[in-house]
Amino acid sequence: QVQLQESGPGLVKPSQTLSLTCTVSGGSISSGSYYWSWIRQPAGKGLEWIGRIYTSGSTNYNPSLKSRVTISVDTSKNQFSLKLSSVTAADTAVYYCARGRLLERWGQGTLVTVSS
Amino acid sequence: EIVMTQSPATLSVSPGERATLSCRASQSVSSNLAWYQQKPGQAPRLLIYGASTRATGIPARFSGSGSGTEFTLTISSLQSEDFAVYYCQQYNNWPHTFGQGTKLEIK
Repeated sequence: QVQLQESGPGLVKPSQTLSLTCTVSGGSISSGSYYWSWIRQPAGKGLEWIGRIYTSGSTNYNPSLKSRVTISVDTSKNQFSLKLSSVTAADTAVYYCARGRLLERWGQGTLVTVSS
Repeated sequence: EIVMTQSPATLSVSPGERATLSCRASQSVSSNLAWYQQKPGQAPRLLIYGASTRATGIPARFSGSGSGTEFTLTISSLQSEDFAVYYCQQYNNWPHTFGQGTKLEIK
């Protein structure tokens, strides 16, 4: 059964770049035809889809974040990654990675705090 | 961007009773509507997709209906494990957007 696990710094300074990795286990990230997504959730608030990358490498980004977001895949490591530049306190949230067009499989989430 | 609006924000229901949650889209999303359940400290879990199809392993007490702009999630005979926050999400147009959530609490 495929499992996803987020990793990365829990604290990022304002104006810096947030970098997270999602490691996929129990299956190959390059097998099948799947979307691999990043979603975030500020404390006590709702869900925001950041973007996704398809098995082919094509990407879709939320227009509200598009200028600051890059999602990439490293098939050799069975991982996909998120980079969010020029962060502010408003980017503080739990960040989730997920698989599928319908987000049928999620990681447990990782809290990222933006603070000096 | 399609705006998803859920009502009510909080719903208080007794165990064993039925709960009805609503979701409205700012424009038609056809049947491209999903429901997720989220418990405290956990990631969301897919319950329903295609407006009415239960995801794998989801009990039959969960049912979804609607199309276009009006959708409903019904939970018949609430169990203790069903008290959580529920989100609707449209995947008809990018960016896929979520509602703000309905918190289902024990009455």
